[in-house]
Amino acid sequence: EAGVAQSPRYKIIEKRQSVAFWCNPISGHATLYWYQQILGQGPKLLIQFQNNGVVDDSQLPKDRFSAERLKGVDSTLKIQPAKLEDSAVYLCASARGYSEQFFGPGTRLTVL
Amino acid sequence: EDQVTQSPEALRLQEGESSSLNCSYTVSGLRGLFWYRQDPGKGPEFLFTLYSAGEEKEKERLKATLTKKESFLHITAPKPEDSATYLCAVFSGTYKYIFGTGTRLKVLA
Repeated sequence: EAGVAQSPRYKIIEKRQSVAFWCNPISGHATLYWYQQILGQGPKLLIQFQNNGVVDDSQLPKDRFSAERLKGVDSTLKIQPAKLEDSAVYLCASARGYSEQFFGPGTRLTVL
Repeated sequence: EDQVTQSPEALRLQEGESSSLNCSYTVSGLRGLFWYRQDPGKGPEFLFTLYSAGEEKEKERLKATLTKKESFLHITAPKPEDSATYLCAVFSGTYKYIFGTGTRLKVLA
């Protein structure tokens, strides 16, 4: 069974630029999560999808972050415009319902 | 407010020296407690799920236990390959996932 795929693995941008991350979950997993993990901290949930719908986006900075999950499969997370404090690893995870999550390798974002 | 606290932040052990990691939680109803392992540069990898107080799960040198206020991850006779960050996550009654900040474990040969 293929795991969760994410791209790109690394991204370096200047502040105020925009950036997008892509995630392909494990086939058949209805639930998809995006997390932000700052160095030395645990993952912080940004948004949770159940199929196409948003279940929880209470911690998503909606003035600059947006996410979508088209057709209940792939998902993209966008930051526009980026700030220095957005430097982090962005993790995507998927799950069958509310069971254990399977994580992708993450995208390491550096904002200069 | 839902909260998950892990201790210690970092732990250095000699190979074969058993120890325990702690995860304390305060949540509005517990639907599940998860333990993950995270290696540098990788995403977290699932280890265990615990659902109710008194439950225990084992896998190789790891054993997870759960009470009404905390969970322990016991590591018996660790090896250098057990070095990683161990994360605890709680799934609350309001359907929210909250991760702790993790314990960085280093096992010395």
